[in-house]
Order: sequence, then C-alpha cells, then structure tokens
Amino acid sequence: DVKVTQSSRYLVKRTGEKVFLECVQDMDHENMFWYRQDPGLGLRLIYFSYDVKMKEKGDIPEGYSVSREKKERFSLILESASTNQTSMYLCASSLAVSGTSLEQYFGPGTRLTVT
Amino acid sequence: QQPVQSPQAVILREGEDAVINCSSSKALYSVHWYRQKHGEAPVFLMILLKGGEQKGHDKISASFNEKKQQSSLYLTASQLSYSGTYFCGTEGGSTLGRLYFGRGTQLTVWP
Repeated sequence: DVKVTQSSRYLVKRTGEKVFLECVQDMDHENMFWYRQDPGLGLRLIYFSYDVKMKEKGDIPEGYSVSREKKERFSLILESASTNQTSMYLCASSLAVSGTSLEQYFGPGTRLTVT
Repeated sequence: QQPVQSPQAVILREGEDAVINCSSSKALYSVHWYRQKHGEAPVFLMILLKGGEQKGHDKISASFNEKKQQSSLYLTASQLSYSGTYFCGTEGGSTLGRLYFGRGTQLTVWP
C-alpha cells in the first residue's frame, strides 16, 4: 500500500515564525503536491514537484516555498507565518505517465493554527 | 480553471440514487473523482481519460463527456458508507500533471 506521511497532525505557531511541513512517500512516486484545504473552497494547489529539485507554482504560492532534495520527501515552508495561513495542509503523491498524473494518494493532513 | 461541481450538497435515504456533476471551461485530458470522509484524507475513486468512457466499481460509476467538458458521478442504491464530500479533479490545458479540484459536493446518507 502507498503510504504518504506528514510530520505533524496538529501544529500551533505564532505570527512571524518560520514553519516547516514535511511529507514523505514510500512508493517512488515522481509527482508530489502540497494543497491547502479551507471550508467551502475545496483543495487549492500551492506547489507541486515532478522531480527532485524541480518545482512548479500552483494557484496560491504566495507566502510559501518548497523544497525537494530527495525523491521521497517534499517540504512546504512558510517563511513568515501569518494568521491567514491557518488551514489544513494536505500532501499528495502520484505516479506520472507521459507527463500526466495518475491517482493521487493523500497524507493525513496537518492542521496548522497561526496565532 | 477550477471546475464547477453541482449540487453543493445532497441528502439521501439509504437505497436512493444520486448524481454529482463536474463541469470545466477548459478542454480536459482526464477527470479524477475522490471522496473525503469527515476528518480523513481524500481517497481516490476513479479516473476517466478523454474518449468519453464510463467507468465504475461496485455501485459507483462515472462518465466523461470530453466534448462538453463534463463528468458525472453516479451513486446507485446508496449506502451509509457513501457519506462524505466528493471532489472532482480535472487535468488538461497547458499544464498536465496537476489537477484543478472543484469545491466539493457534500453527500449525506441517512438510514
């Protein structure tokens, strides 16, 4: 079974802190994704990566950065956390075929609260 | 490029049927369907590729009309376990490899 793990289920940080969210997958997937989920807005893509050291901006990259130094690990960084970044963060991974994405496997999510 | 899902919410009795629609303004390569139960991560249901195919497993099936840029998810003889939020994710246009997710349809099945 594919397993996607995220470093924390719940996280509370103060405004201005640097925050690291880590995601690890164990199935050698090429693609990895970071989403933000807010009630009524669905899943919004922050960044995705289709290979080591490669990254692409999603729809809401402002205030975030990412790092993918190893194939299995994809990190999301909030350089200076703000209260409007309080949200559920979901990581996902998928195989890629001819540049397209197969089914995405999601981690359990990290509920981040910025106070 | 976020697809539009309808309806926003559905309430059913066990054994009833439901249809959830997903519509895009862009040409599509594929459509994914996921279900998310409360407090859990989204789980993949099925993927449909362009070509107008229909897929299904158990009593959940889906269709994809590439020309109309629409997909529909069909839940027949619904069970309590079908409750959750259903999301469609569309892939297409100039950026393959990523999905655009709809806002979700909340399905509640009562006994």
